[in-house]
Amino acid sequence: DTAVSQTPKYLVTQMGNDKSIKCEQNLGHDTMYWYKQDSKKFLKIMFSYNNKELIINETVPNRFSPKSPDKAHLNLHINSLELGDSAVYFCASSPGFVGSVLNTEAFFGQGTRLTVV
Amino acid sequence: SQQGEEDPQALSIQEGENATMNCSYKTSINNLQWYRQNSGRGLVHLILIRSNEREKHSGRLRVTLDTSKKSSSLLITASRAADTASYFCATDHDMRFGAGTRLTVKP
Repeated sequence: DTAVSQTPKYLVTQMGNDKSIKCEQNLGHDTMYWYKQDSKKFLKIMFSYNNKELIINETVPNRFSPKSPDKAHLNLHINSLELGDSAVYFCASSPGFVGSVLNTEAFFGQGTRLTVV
Repeated sequence: SQQGEEDPQALSIQEGENATMNCSYKTSINNLQWYRQNSGRGLVHLILIRSNEREKHSGRLRVTLDTSKKSSSLLITASRAADTASYFCATDHDMRFGAGTRLTVKP
């Protein structure tokens, strides 16, 4: 059973399109994250939710909008895609959230490789 | 700016040798974590060290933590070709990662 699953695994789309990436975790964790990994392998945190509440919102374009319908799901919607959005996007979850005494050991999905052409 | 910064950026060794990589961070923490990423895959948690621990072992992995210097090191002993991967660190403060250390172990 996959603990953190993302769909789709690959996404090729044209500039200007709107797309969504879905993430689900079956670990019962309270906290979920979205990360972006660029071509230089730098892994940048984008958002984090704890029990459906946004707790980390990094400086990302407002074309990126996360949505957490329940604590097991955190989806990422991207409007008006640009070439620079091409990257691998990783979803992750952890038992607790940053700044709490709970464990923040993160479990990652396999990534979604987004290519904007 | 990122919290966990790994160095060196790249490390190439022969099988059987030890590999050491370092991580620096900026703020006070409760714990620091090391992760491994195989090419094209998600990160996998390796080991967590708490702020009141100075050293921790797990199999061939040895992690040290120096809170006064805000730094940690990951030592992989008797490396194998299968250890080839990128290694990242992050703290519980904000779960930020850097660009990782890309380790290549030559058979």
